[in-house]
Amino acid sequence: AAGVIQSPRHLIKEKRETATLKCYPIPRHDTVYWYQQGPGQDPQFLISFYEKMQSDKGSIPDRFSAQQFSDYHSELNMSSLELGDSALYFCASSRGGQVEQYFGPGTRLTVT
Amino acid sequence: AQSVAQPEDQVNVAEGNPLTVKCTYSVSGNPYLFWYVQYPNRGLQFLLKYITGDNLVKGSYGFEAEFNKSQTSFHLKKPSALVSDSALYFCAVRPNTGKLIFGQGTTLQVKP
Repeated sequence: AAGVIQSPRHLIKEKRETATLKCYPIPRHDTVYWYQQGPGQDPQFLISFYEKMQSDKGSIPDRFSAQQFSDYHSELNMSSLELGDSALYFCASSRGGQVEQYFGPGTRLTVT
Repeated sequence: AQSVAQPEDQVNVAEGNPLTVKCTYSVSGNPYLFWYVQYPNRGLQFLLKYITGDNLVKGSYGFEAEFNKSQTSFHLKKPSALVSDSALYFCAVRPNTGKLIFGQGTTLQVKP
């Protein structure tokens, strides 16, 4: 079965650079969620989109922005990167009316 | 505030023995509860969920979980552990907005 696709899988950036993470949800899933998992931490919710509209917002820094496109894929844009942004970034998707979320493999971002 | 607690950082069991990974929650209203498993350098895999109905929920790979409303608990169980079950397990609760709030995670170590 098709799963959530995230790209790139690994990304190395320097401080103050920008990064763009992409997420392709499972076909026919209309909701996308972004989570950040720091080393040894539990995943923390950043932001979500339903039908291309922002549906909820968590602890997402102002330096980050995200959107969902007409094909339902989503991009997380991160600017002025800081060392503390080094983490595993997960995207999850779900279909309207479905409560469980299906996670992608994550993008490991390392900021040096 | 909605929260999830996993009181054990690590659980050690011998292969073939039953296992329990504990989870307690604090939510307003009726909870949607989940268990996810994370293998090293991998995404989170959905194991099972509780929405309503029977307090004993069966999920993937022989796992089950017991919902106890009076104790606000949702413990993960398996009658006979396998070495391949060794991983990081997260309990999560879903408020109305759809985002998942995770516990701190419990490392399960199954020894041969």
